[in-house]
Amino acid sequence: QKEVEQNSGPLSVPEGAIASLNCTYSDRGSQSFFWYRQYSGKSPELIMFIYSNGDKEDGRFTAQLNKASQYVSLLIRDSQPSDSATYLCAVGNAGNMLTFGGGTRLMVKP
Amino acid sequence: DAGVIQSPRHEVTEMGQEVTLRCKPISGHNSLFWYRQTMMRGLELLIYFNNNVPIDDSGMPEDRFSAKMPNASFSTLKIQPSEPRDSAVYFCASSLGQGASPLHFGNGTRLTVT
Repeated sequence: QKEVEQNSGPLSVPEGAIASLNCTYSDRGSQSFFWYRQYSGKSPELIMFIYSNGDKEDGRFTAQLNKASQYVSLLIRDSQPSDSATYLCAVGNAGNMLTFGGGTRLMVKP
Repeated sequence: DAGVIQSPRHEVTEMGQEVTLRCKPISGHNSLFWYRQTMMRGLELLIYFNNNVPIDDSGMPEDRFSAKMPNASFSTLKIQPSEPRDSAVYFCASSLGQGASPLHFGNGTRLTVT
């Protein structure tokens, strides 16, 4: 059983729409949650991190965390074609180790 | 800040040969991670160092894989002998190591074993 689950997609949204990416995790002791974006052939780059329940906003991005449901999501407002990439959810434990989900491929169509 | 530096960017080798991948973490970061990424298995943690000491190597596939971190600014991942199933992109990442800190990834090494 994979510890961090994501729908592989592709998730297709029109330009200007809200893209909603979801992630569930199995370890209730998880303490930190990250979203990375990975363009094809490139390395993962950090977009957002969240440690507490609730919402955290940064520009067009909002991360949402619900520890009771073991669920974390990423919302991208006003989606642009340049947002087309694979989005990786990563969950961290107290030991400074991150476990990554398989990623969701997002396609934003002009 | 130069970021995490990996070399080589691409490596093509024949089955049975030794392969050495290199990584220079961000200066001041005390945690270093080696990951492997494939289409089938995604991003897998191979080994994690903290203050140059291996903390968790449970992700290392088998004895053919070994990793060292002789000092705070250099790490190697060695595969000997290499096999076609080792073909993947290998990423090195570093972090400040305070709690679960964000990882900063290098550009990766694309390894092809024929």
